Formats: sequence, structure tokens, C-alpha cells
Amino acid sequence: DQQVKQNSPSLSVQEGRISILNCDYTNSMFDYFLWYKKYPAEGPTFLISISSIKDKNEDGRFTVFLNKSAKHLSLHIVPSQPGDSAVYFCAASNRLNAGNNRKLIWGLGTSLAVNP
Amino acid sequence: GAGVSQSPSNKVTEKGKDVELRCDPISGHTALYWYRQSLGQGLEFLIYFQGNSAPDKSGLPSDRFSAERTGGSVSTLTIQRTQQEDSAVYLCASSRPLVYLGTDTQYFGPGTRLTVL
Repeated sequence: DQQVKQNSPSLSVQEGRISILNCDYTNSMFDYFLWYKKYPAEGPTFLISISSIKDKNEDGRFTVFLNKSAKHLSLHIVPSQPGDSAVYFCAASNRLNAGNNRKLIWGLGTSLAVNP
Repeated sequence: GAGVSQSPSNKVTEKGKDVELRCDPISGHTALYWYRQSLGQGLEFLIYFQGNSAPDKSGLPSDRFSAERTGGSVSTLTIQRTQQEDSAVYLCASSRPLVYLGTDTQYFGPGTRLTVL
């Protein structure tokens, strides 16, 4: 029972274009969402996050959009660069009710390939 | 050290043997998490430590799995009588002391790839 779903296992984009990675969730109690990037043989590294009180958060080339009514979030990378090629994981947590345990519930990841 | 470290990086063991996986969190980080990622799966929460509080063990898949955190720093994840389905990458993450509803980024180690033959 996947509470966080990334329905596209892979995505290929041309350098300089926009990459859009999608994520859907089922648990309406989630109130904090994160994107992590993972290179082979390395642990995930934090990229960007968004609280459920916002619908957009931007950091440089990375923007995360949250649509709570649709239980959907997306990560936009503009412009995409070859170094962005990695697996991107969407994760969610229930901070308000989980107390101190900020365990993350993860999607299966989307492998992004940015072609030169 | 600058980041979270884990050892060993790779572990191959025979079914039925016990294994210990180690995690050294970032100095000063009071929260420590263990996750695992099986082939084709997302990361799965296993256990959470926060300071001197009782750990949240709700993610441990069976009583063959246990973890401890000594002195509020280093943590060891132990898997007894390993099974083939235990094969996965085991990831450790740590984060700063919590601020209610504040950002608390989890920093991950490189993981231990466990293969049970």
C-alpha cells in the first residue's frame, strides 16, 4: 500500500529544458513534503521541501508545487543540466501528529536522465 | 567527520548468520533513523532514536531486527538469523535537535548493501 506514489519510473529530458517530476500521495495527514536526489552508491541528499500551508517553494533552479486538493506535488527543474541526472525521491511526513518522530514515507523514485 | 558514515559499505553473508551494521551520525545530531531500500522498492522506515527517549521501533519488520544507540551517538542495527529477503541497502540518517514544525533535514549516509546468500 504505497502512500506516496511516483508513477513514472524514468524521465529523459534535453539539457536546458524543463524537467517535471510528479508525486501523488494518499494520506491527507501528511503536512510536509520533501524531494531528495540520489546518485548511485550514495545516500539520498535533500533538495527542497514544502509545508502544506504553502503551494509553492522555489530554490534556484528547483521549484516544488503542492496541490493539496489533488494530493499531488511536482518538482520542476529549470533549466535542466546533465549533472541533475539522478534518481529523485518524493517523501512525506506527518509532523503535526507524529511528535518528534519525523520518519519519512517515500515514493519509489524517478530516474531522471538529462541528455547533453 | 563532515557527514553520516556507515560501515561496512558492503556485506555478504550466508543465510542464518547474524550481521551488525554501524552508523556514525553527524556530531550534535540528536535524531537518528534507520531505513532500508529493497530492490525496486522505496525507502522503508525501520527505527528512530531521539536523545534519551525510548526509540520508535514500529518499522522493524520482525523480532530478528534490533538496534541500539550508545551514548546518544553511534548506532548499531543487528539482524539475527538473516534471510534472503533481508537483502537490501540499509540507510542511516541523522538530523539536528528538533524544533516544533521547523525544518529538520535528514542527512543520509552512503548506506550498507547487505546481500544474504
